[in-house]
Amino acid sequence: GESVGLHLPTLSVQEGDNSIINCAYSNSASDYFIWYKQESGKGPQFIIDIRSNMDKRQGQRVTVLLNKTVKHLSLQIAATQPGDSAVYFCAEKPMDSNYQLIWGAGTKLIIKP
Amino acid sequence: DSGVTQTPKHLITATGQRVTLRCSPRSGDLSVYWYQQSLDQGLQFLIQYYNGEERAKGNILERFSAQQFPDLHSELNLSSLELGDSALYFCASSVGPAGEKLFFGSGTQLSVL
Repeated sequence: GESVGLHLPTLSVQEGDNSIINCAYSNSASDYFIWYKQESGKGPQFIIDIRSNMDKRQGQRVTVLLNKTVKHLSLQIAATQPGDSAVYFCAEKPMDSNYQLIWGAGTKLIIKP
Repeated sequence: DSGVTQTPKHLITATGQRVTLRCSPRSGDLSVYWYQQSLDQGLQFLIQYYNGEERAKGNILERFSAQQFPDLHSELNLSSLELGDSALYFCASSVGPAGEKLFFGSGTQLSVL
């Protein structure tokens, strides 16, 4: 079936370095993508989203890149801070779905001091 | 704070019992979504309501049911509980019906003993 997968279940990054979290999606009909951050004991928190008519979108310290050719999505976090420690989920919304997001399994980001 | 309120935060009950989880969406949001998050399953979509009507159904068991009331709050009813129903249950809301840019509550941790 359709799925959104993550290349790395755990990512360790030095504090102050940039983090890149990757996500592969399988449905070329997806036209909307979104990243969420989930800290321990909390609900997922919206980070940034992007539509398929864009390749890149920037927020505060975060950038999402979309490569439709290889069906790849990435989240870049600049100058990673201890507060960035969390599980990061990507999700896609295929145009032919019942309007529901298809979620990836999540990547745990660990910040080393 | 996402603006989505879920109660209770924790619920401990026994197998065979029935519980009700409550959710108040963000002010102005018409859609409410229910998700289940287990350690080995990630985020699983259960059901969506939009302006009081069921909009989409995911992997929701027949023992589970939900509704959205005229004031837009929603309740998720779980009956004949089994050990495997132990999980975090999240409610999310969005402005429109299209399943984009969801805002999540902090969840209800259900433990079935």
